[in-house]
Amino acid sequence: NAGVTQTPKFQVLKTGQSMTLQCAQDMNHNSMYWYRQDPGMGLRLIYYSASEGTTDKGEVPNGYNVSRLNKREFSLRLESAAPSQTSVYFCASRRLAGAGGQETQYFGPGTRLLVL
Amino acid sequence: SQQGEEDPQALSIQEGENATMNCSYKTSINNLQWYRQNSGRGLVHLILIRSNEREKHSGRLRVTLDTSKKSSSLLITASRAADTASYFCATDKGSTLGRLYFGRGTQLTVWP
Repeated sequence: NAGVTQTPKFQVLKTGQSMTLQCAQDMNHNSMYWYRQDPGMGLRLIYYSASEGTTDKGEVPNGYNVSRLNKREFSLRLESAAPSQTSVYFCASRRLAGAGGQETQYFGPGTRLLVL
Repeated sequence: SQQGEEDPQALSIQEGENATMNCSYKTSINNLQWYRQNSGRGLVHLILIRSNEREKHSGRLRVTLDTSKKSSSLLITASRAADTASYFCATDKGSTLGRLYFGRGTQLTVWP
């Protein structure tokens, strides 16, 4: 199993450009998450999808949209990139949401985004 | 705002020594988790401790939780150079949806 995969690994954008970050998991997990990590900071949740067909905002959703395409895939879109969105983006997945579910999250390798 | 705050921000030790990292948090939790991040990589789950547990062991890792003080510690015994990484605590703030709130992390350097 590949686990959680993310594409692309690196991306440079100009201010105002748009792009979509792709994430896929092959572990049949129900829940998926997008985080961003800024230098010297921990991860902050952007959006999450507790189960297929649902998405909800996290701590820092402004400037982003998401799509839970199917159970495997969860994409993050920047419609009009800004320098403040320069960051490393991590996707994660978890087997089950809710009490009694498995709480461990499995992370992808990250996408490093630079917005000029 | 950050839920967990790790202390110290950076820790430098020799191989064979023990490394202790602390985490404080602000709200009630269902569980607290510790993750490791090697440079340029994603996070890897290390250990989870539930709110009704006080101590948990996994190999060379020992985690304690004091819910009255809203704090946790991660002890790595007999450190190795390969333990060099950033360590993050994460809490759920009582959520059951899997939302995690991370601290800023402790950068551990283990010198050979």
